[in-house]
Amino acid sequence: KAGVTQTPRYLIKTRGQQVTLSCSPISGHRSVSWYQQTPGQGLQFLFEYFSETQRNKGNFPGRFSGRQFSNSRSEMNVSTLELGDSALYLCASSLRGLEVSTEQYFGPGTRLTVT
Amino acid sequence: AQKITQTQPGMFVQEKEAVTLDCTYDTSDPSYGLFWYKQPSSGEMIFLIYQGSYDQQNATEGRYSLNFQKARKSANLVISASQLGDSAMYFCAMRAVVHAGGTSYGKLTFGQGTILTVHP
Repeated sequence: KAGVTQTPRYLIKTRGQQVTLSCSPISGHRSVSWYQQTPGQGLQFLFEYFSETQRNKGNFPGRFSGRQFSNSRSEMNVSTLELGDSALYLCASSLRGLEVSTEQYFGPGTRLTVT
Repeated sequence: AQKITQTQPGMFVQEKEAVTLDCTYDTSDPSYGLFWYKQPSSGEMIFLIYQGSYDQQNATEGRYSLNFQKARKSANLVISASQLGDSAMYFCAMRAVVHAGGTSYGKLTFGQGTILTVHP
C-alpha cells in the first residue's frame, strides 16, 4: 500500500508570490491534516479536512487556505508569501476522523523556501 | 488549551544502551491520546507508540516503551538497546477531541522535540 505522497518535495518562491502544495493520502483514508514545521515555532497545526470539509483550523492568517477533493487528495495554498513562510509543510492522513487514538500517517513533506 | 513540553533539546546515548526521552503535558480534557514520533533527517514523521489516557498499562512496541505517569502528567519514551539508526529528532504529541456543532475533531499538539544521537 502506497504511503502519503506530497508534491513537490522542494520549492523555492519569491516573497509576494503564491504557492500550492499537494498531498495524496493513503488509499481509503478520508482525513487529511496539514502541519507547518519551522525551527523557531516547531510543528504547528494548520487545518484538517474530512470528506471534503474543513473541520478544524489552526491559528494561521487567511493567506493559508486549503481544500480537499472527492478522491481525498488535498491541496494547500499560501498567497502573498512572506519570508517567515519558509518551512517544511507536512501532510498527514488517517482512515477516519481525528479521534483521540487516531493514528496519522505522515508524508515526506514539502520544503518551501521563500526568498 | 493543550501543551506539550520536552525539556531535553539534545540527548546522547551509547549504542546498545537504553535512553529515556522526557515529555510532560498539560490538558484539562479527561480523554486524550499521547503519541511519540521519530523524524529522521529526511523529514518524514514516523509513528512509534501510542498511549491512551484511560489505558491502565504502559504501551510497548518492540524496543519502544512509554512510561506513563498520569498523576504527574508525564509520558516518557524509553528506547532500549539503542541502534545507530535511532539517531533522529523525537517528538511527543497529544491529541484531545473537541466536540462542537454535532461533530468532533482533534489535532495533534507537538512538543519542541529532542534530538537523539547514538554513538557507536
